Amino acid sequence: NAGVTQTPKFQVLKTGQSMTLQCAQDMNHNSMYWYRQDPGMGLRLIYYSASEGTTDKGEVPNGYNVSRLNKREFSLRLESAAPSQTSVYFCASTEDSNQPQHFGDGTRLSIL
Amino acid sequence: GESVGLHLPTLSVQEGDNSIINCAYSNSASDYFIWYKQESGKGPQFIIDIRSNMDKRQGQRVTVLLNKTVKHLSLQIAATQPGDSAVYFCADTTSGTYKYIFGTGTRLKVLA
Repeated sequence: NAGVTQTPKFQVLKTGQSMTLQCAQDMNHNSMYWYRQDPGMGLRLIYYSASEGTTDKGEVPNGYNVSRLNKREFSLRLESAAPSQTSVYFCASTEDSNQPQHFGDGTRLSIL
Repeated sequence: GESVGLHLPTLSVQEGDNSIINCAYSNSASDYFIWYKQESGKGPQFIIDIRSNMDKRQGQRVTVLLNKTVKHLSLQIAATQPGDSAVYFCADTTSGTYKYIFGTGTRLKVLA
């Protein structure tokens, strides 16, 4: 009963390095999301994929790209990491737009 | 440890007492509302949801109340237990938008 699985759990990068965060869900959900969580702020949407084959920008997309690889997998890429991207990143999935989101346990990313 | 909750308001309750956590939302078009629980180092966990055609919904030891007139949501936890200690936050969305707005959260501390 895995739900939403994120890898890696922790990562430290140097400024300018690139990295891909992986997310997979086994609930056959149509929609997937990437958020970042920073101290004192609510979760902020980076990108989402309403269905397989589509992706759209959220509130804070700059510096990120995404790929909906198939129905199960949705990856987030940082092409040139910046210290401002130090955060905890969460992936989530839902069956549809007005259903509860199911979250992974996050990737804790530090950029030096 | 997790620094996400660094500046959160805190509610301290005695074990066995009832807890009430409040949330205000701003979008009058929101029609679906969710409460999440987040433990340190974990992803948000779905607790209960409510749609805009209801004003109250009950689950196991939890009740959500929705007041659309003043755009207010509350979560009531009955007979609070040590395992309820966590950060709680609400989210709201409008059907079809795939965009959920998350509150910053309230930290619940259960005193033995």
